[in-house]
Amino acid sequence: KNQVEQSPQSLIILEGKNCTLQCNYTVSPFSNLRWYKQDTGRGPVSLTIMTFSENTKSNGRYTATLDADTKQSSLHITASQLSDSASYICVVRPDQTGANNLFFGTGTRLTVIP
Amino acid sequence: DSGVTQTPKHLITATGQRVTLRCSPRSGDLSVYWYQQSLDQGLQFLIQYYNGEERAKGNILERFSAQQFPDLHSELNLSSLELGDSALYFCASGRGGRTGNTIYFGEGSWLTVV
Repeated sequence: KNQVEQSPQSLIILEGKNCTLQCNYTVSPFSNLRWYKQDTGRGPVSLTIMTFSENTKSNGRYTATLDADTKQSSLHITASQLSDSASYICVVRPDQTGANNLFFGTGTRLTVIP
Repeated sequence: DSGVTQTPKHLITATGQRVTLRCSPRSGDLSVYWYQQSLDQGLQFLIQYYNGEERAKGNILERFSAQQFPDLHSELNLSSLELGDSALYFCASGRGGRTGNTIYFGEGSWLTVV
């Protein structure tokens, strides 16, 4: 069964600290993995997209890593800011023709406190 | 601004009623996706349209239906509403096709059934 699991479910950190969010998936075969940031009550916004051959990709203070062998990805946030408070969603796309199916994790809710 | 427009932003209606949510995709995007997000729940895929035709179906109830029009805007129809249908409904759009396509989310339509 294709699944995407994220951990931790929620996280509270102090402003300026770093944190790492985890995503494990069983989706196979695998096409790409995306990280989205969703502010409360807003639509998700894409942070990174990584294909099978990519191990790491950065977007400002966000760095995503991917280990396609172990089917694990992480999102590392450095020097956190209050505006980083949001849910971070891992989304995996299987390598299938036809339907553009995506598998969503339930997200990690990050709260950055001053 | 993702370029995906959803209306209405907020909607309150009574049980048993019917509502229509509207989505205008980004210019040039052929695929439209609908998602439901209940309180503290992850995004649940409902249905996808590509260039006017249904492409994929997720956990969409029989009371719900959708369509994509020739101008590529889409509507999600929710009927015989129940309290449990209260949620944030997102529309997303993408170029369609296969791999590597980022999908862009609208800001959502908040539906409250009372």
